[in-house]
Amino acid sequence: EAQVTQNPRYLITVTGKKLTVTCSQNMNHEYMSWYRQDPGLGLRQIYYSMNVEVTDKGDVPEGYKVSRKEKRNFPLILESPSPNQTSLYFCASSPGQVSKGRRQPQHFGDGTRLSIL
Amino acid sequence: KQEVTQIPAALSVPEGENLVLNCSFTDSAIYNLQWFRQDPGKGLTSLLLIQSSQREQTSGRLNASLDKSSGRSTLYIAASQPGDSATYLCAAITQGGSEKLVFGKGTKLTVNP
Repeated sequence: EAQVTQNPRYLITVTGKKLTVTCSQNMNHEYMSWYRQDPGLGLRQIYYSMNVEVTDKGDVPEGYKVSRKEKRNFPLILESPSPNQTSLYFCASSPGQVSKGRRQPQHFGDGTRLSIL
Repeated sequence: KQEVTQIPAALSVPEGENLVLNCSFTDSAIYNLQWFRQDPGKGLTSLLLIQSSQREQTSGRLNASLDKSSGRSTLYIAASQPGDSATYLCAAITQGGSEKLVFGKGTKLTVNP
């Protein structure tokens, strides 16, 4: 089954304790990205990756790191989490290629709810 | 900078009613527009994707239209059911090479039995 898998689904942690949220896709997609969703603000892009070893900042990258060493994995790293990073996080992927002038739909994981105390 | 707006923020209808959800965007230079459904505590499920060259897409009881000139997209749901209750999000990809989706804040739909 084609899917984007995030782990963990839920995490409560404390300020300053480094954490990693993993994201893996089994569709051989080139493009992957991270979004956070906050009440009243909607979904905003944190980082994205167009391919292996190619990453770039989205709209709200402060306090986050990413890496893309393998095509299927795109972990989100919070080196020193703070309470303002309490949010619902989504990983997404897509083929990233334009096929006959058309883009393909993006697929999202089930989300990771982070609470930082 | 692309901005996407969805009005209303919430909508409640009786079962069986046909309904339209609205989405507007400020930059008409979009590659495509994607409609999602989000259930509480769940991820985003892609419903329909409309390419910039298309006017509409259909899947079952859902029909999405796109009018780039007016900066609008609509999602039509026919014969609504309680199982359609969810938050519906639209998102646009603007031309420029990035695959970034710019999301509206969603319309929370409640279909009452």
